[in-house]
Amino acid sequence: ETGVTQSPTHLIKTRGQQVTLRCSSQSGHNTVSWYQQALGQGPQFIFQYYREEENGRGNFPPRFSGLQFPNYSSELNVNALELDDSALYLCASSLGGQISYEQYFGPGTRLTVT
Amino acid sequence: QKEVEQNSGPLSVPEGAIASLNCTYSDRVSQSFFWYRQYSGKSPELIMSIYSNGDKEDGRFTAQLNKASQYVSLLIRDSQPSDSATYLCAVNFYNAGNMLTFGGGTRLMVKP
Repeated sequence: ETGVTQSPTHLIKTRGQQVTLRCSSQSGHNTVSWYQQALGQGPQFIFQYYREEENGRGNFPPRFSGLQFPNYSSELNVNALELDDSALYLCASSLGGQISYEQYFGPGTRLTVT
Repeated sequence: QKEVEQNSGPLSVPEGAIASLNCTYSDRVSQSFFWYRQYSGKSPELIMSIYSNGDKEDGRFTAQLNKASQYVSLLIRDSQPSDSATYLCAVNFYNAGNMLTFGGGTRLMVKP
């Protein structure tokens, strides 16, 4: 167990709806990264939050947004859901500012868009 | 475009054998390299990190890094059926902040 938690575990939404996914980082970690993993593929970086500021973004449209709270937990929001947004959404916790960049994943949220 | 490539497999090895998993990446100036194990339906689990050329051993696992040739490999000695999973290679490319770029993963099957 990494100590990283995510909620909910599973979620079914309809195309066009909005969704919010939540992540609590490992104790002592101040950085949260979000990844999308489609079936049969490796995770793809969405964005990262370090000390409540966005600290990098991958190739995802603006309808993917997020924030980080003072306790370093984080939310991922996706607006105007599309069928292709169906995937496993992973949150990874790390100790920012360290050259090692080791990231520890939570259990993920499985999102299905119908 | 910075990329990480892995053979998708499946790589099938008998129990007790050495499993060798390989990964190549596109940018010579990369800093950090990671191997994750992902069981079906689960999230990735960090098993090894390596930052310098050469070998790094941790139990039955050995990571090997060759920056000049742009490859990183993972050896699993005395493979067990419980090692059957998808192994993901991840690279932190230079000037990419704290972002990890993953390969597509190699599925390993260890047969009893």
